[in-house]
Amino acid sequence: DTEVTQTPKHLVMGMTNKKSLKCEQHMGHRAMYWYKQKAKKPPELMFVYSYEKLSINESVPSRFSPECPNSSLLNLHLHALQPEDSALYLCASSQDSPSGRYPTYEQYFGPGTRLTVT
Amino acid sequence: GENVEQHPSTLSVQEGDSAVIKCTYSDSASNYFPWYKQELGKRPQLIIDIRSNVGEKKDQRIAVTLNKTAKHFSLHITETQPEDSAVYFCAATHSRLSGTYKYIFGTGTRLKVLA
Repeated sequence: DTEVTQTPKHLVMGMTNKKSLKCEQHMGHRAMYWYKQKAKKPPELMFVYSYEKLSINESVPSRFSPECPNSSLLNLHLHALQPEDSALYLCASSQDSPSGRYPTYEQYFGPGTRLTVT
Repeated sequence: GENVEQHPSTLSVQEGDSAVIKCTYSDSASNYFPWYKQELGKRPQLIIDIRSNVGEKKDQRIAVTLNKTAKHFSLHITETQPEDSAVYFCAATHSRLSGTYKYIFGTGTRLKVLA
C-alpha cells in the first residue's frame, strides 16, 4: 500500500464550528506532515510529526491543533477558523530517522481536504 | 530566510517540444531535490528527484540536472504531451538545528502543452 488517504474530501464549516481532518498511511512511514495550499501557490508547511512527536510547528495559529494518535494516523483539529483559512489541506508522509541524521525521503501526499470556512 | 526561486511561472510549448523549468536554492546544505507534478484539483505527485551526490538523473522523458556550485537544478521534459500539462513544483531540503528536515518549495510553474 503506497497511498496516503484523507477524510473528508470536502468540508464546509462556520467560524464557530469544531471539526477534524484525518489522515492515514500504512507504508510504515514515521514522519507525517500537514500542509496548507492556497490556489496557485505551493504547499505551505504547518506541522511535522516524527515518531509520533511534534517536531516542527511553523508558527501556526492555535485554532489549528494537530494530533498523532499512532504511527499511521494524523489528525488536524479545527476550531474558530477564519474565512482566510479556506484552502486545500494536504497530509504527507515519509520515512525518517529518530535523530533526523539522514535526509528525509520522498514525501507522499494524500488527496487533500478542500476546506471552506463561511 | 531560506528560499527556492522557480522560473518561469508559466510555460507554453507545442506538443512534441521540450520544456525546461529552473530552480535556484539558497541553503548550501540542501542535499535532496524533488520535483512534484500537480494536476488541477489533485495531489502533488513526485515525478523525479535527485540527491546532491549526483549531477543528473533521467527517467524516460523526464530528467533533472543539478549544479551544486551554482545552487540550481532544472527539470527537463522531452517530447511533451498534452497530459504533461500541470503545475510543477521544485523543492529543496532545508536542514534545521534539531536535525529535522523540511522542504522549501518553489513557487510553481504552470506548464501548458498545446496540441
